[in-house]
Amino acid sequence: NAGVTQTPKFRVLKTGQSMTLLCAQDMNHEYMYWYRQDPGMGLRLIHYSVGEGTTAKGEVPDGYNVSRLKKQNFLLGLESAAPSQTSVYFCASSYAGWTEAFFGQGTRLTVV
Amino acid sequence: QKEVEQDPGPLSVPEGAIVSLNCTYSNSAFQYFMWYRQYSRKGPELLMYTYSSGNKEDGRFTAQVDKSSKYISLFIRDSQPSDSATYLCAMSYPNAGGTSYGKLTFGQGTILTVHP
Repeated sequence: NAGVTQTPKFRVLKTGQSMTLLCAQDMNHEYMYWYRQDPGMGLRLIHYSVGEGTTAKGEVPDGYNVSRLKKQNFLLGLESAAPSQTSVYFCASSYAGWTEAFFGQGTRLTVV
Repeated sequence: QKEVEQDPGPLSVPEGAIVSLNCTYSNSAFQYFMWYRQYSRKGPELLMYTYSSGNKEDGRFTAQVDKSSKYISLFIRDSQPSDSATYLCAMSYPNAGGTSYGKLTFGQGTILTVHP
């Protein structure tokens, strides 16, 4: 049972480049989330989804877009990367918004 | 003001000490309270989950919720070096319809080091 899998694990981007982070879960969860984690800031919600075909903005959505075309996948896109987007990104999924969230192993992104 | 406030520490204690980690919150709609543990370079994992005021115990860990004061705590008894990690509190509320989907809101996390 893989749980939540994030791809890639590490990435270095140049300012202005674009990329997509992929999150896949095999637990048939309805809810999926993208968080970023920065020192002293905890986990901040970027975007989330409550089901296939739905997305919603979280606390820090600017500069990011998401898509949930399939229930098991949640994609996070950076259209024009900026150094301020250097962070560790975590994907998570849960059965409902108030149940245990299962996290991926994280993606370390550096924008130079 | 952030909805959930957590003292980021860092906190350094000797092995065997009792550790107290705390979070305060401002949104009275929160009804579900969790503590996650995150080891270095790993994703967070659920440690404790509770939805009522009072205490919940699991081995060396006790989660305490005081809804009237909007305050939650995690106590670790007989702390071990393997408890060294970042501890994050998280809160949620039921689906209230509309655009409120009960998403998890996290505190900033407290870095704990237990030294032998």
